[in-house]
Amino acid sequence: AQSVTQLGSHVSVSEGALVLLRCNYSSSVPPYLFWYVQYPNQGLQLLLKYTTGATLVKGINGFEAEFKKSETSFHLTKPSAHMSDAAEYFCAVSEEASGNTGKLIFGQGTTLQVKP
Amino acid sequence: DAGVIQSPRHEVTEMGQEVTLRCKPISGHDYLFWYRQTMMRGLELLIYFNNNVPIDDSGMPEDRFSAKMPNASFSTLKIQPSEPRDSAVYFCASKHYHEQYFGPGTRLTVT
Repeated sequence: AQSVTQLGSHVSVSEGALVLLRCNYSSSVPPYLFWYVQYPNQGLQLLLKYTTGATLVKGINGFEAEFKKSETSFHLTKPSAHMSDAAEYFCAVSEEASGNTGKLIFGQGTTLQVKP
Repeated sequence: DAGVIQSPRHEVTEMGQEVTLRCKPISGHDYLFWYRQTMMRGLELLIYFNNNVPIDDSGMPEDRFSAKMPNASFSTLKIQPSEPRDSAVYFCASKHYHEQYFGPGTRLTVT
C-alpha cells in the first residue's frame, strides 16, 4: 500500500529565506506525486506534479520539487519565502502507476509560517 | 470554467437532523471525490466515483453516510442522522487525467 510522510507538521521561516518542506513516500509501483496548497478557509490548490520525465518540476508561485527515487522523496522548495506563502501544504501520491484510477493518498500536511 | 461548486458553504444543524451537501464538478471531468477534513484526522477520502459509478466507498465512516451521483454534473453527500462528531469541512473534488480540482468546501457544524 502506498503512503506519504511529511516531516514536520509546522515549519517557520523568515520572509526571504529558503522554504523546504519534506515529503517521503512509499510505493510499490512508480509513483505520481503531487503538492497541494491550502489557504485558510479555501480548498486545496495544485502547486505542482510529477508524473514521468524530468525529475525537477516547477509549479506555481515559484515553487519546485525534485523527485528522488533512491531516497523516495519529493521535497518542496522555494528560494525566497513571501508572506503570502503562509498556508498548509499537502504532499500526495497516486495509488496506481498510471495515475488514472484517481485515488490520491495525502500526507498529514505541513503548516508554513512566514515571519516578517 | 467556474471550477468545482459546492453548496452550502456553511451548514449549522442540530444533532439528529439530516444534512445534504451538494457538489457540481467541472464539466468533462470523469472522477468525483468526497473528502472530510478535521484537525484530528486530517484529510480523509470518503468515497469516489468514476463516470457516475461509485468505485470505492471504504472511507465512508458509517451507514449514516451515503453519497450519490445521479448524473455527470451533480453529486450529493447525505448524513442521516447527523451527530456532533460529523462536524468538519467536507470537500468535493473532480479529476481529469492526473489532476484533482477541489471545491471551496462546506463547513458543517452539528450542535
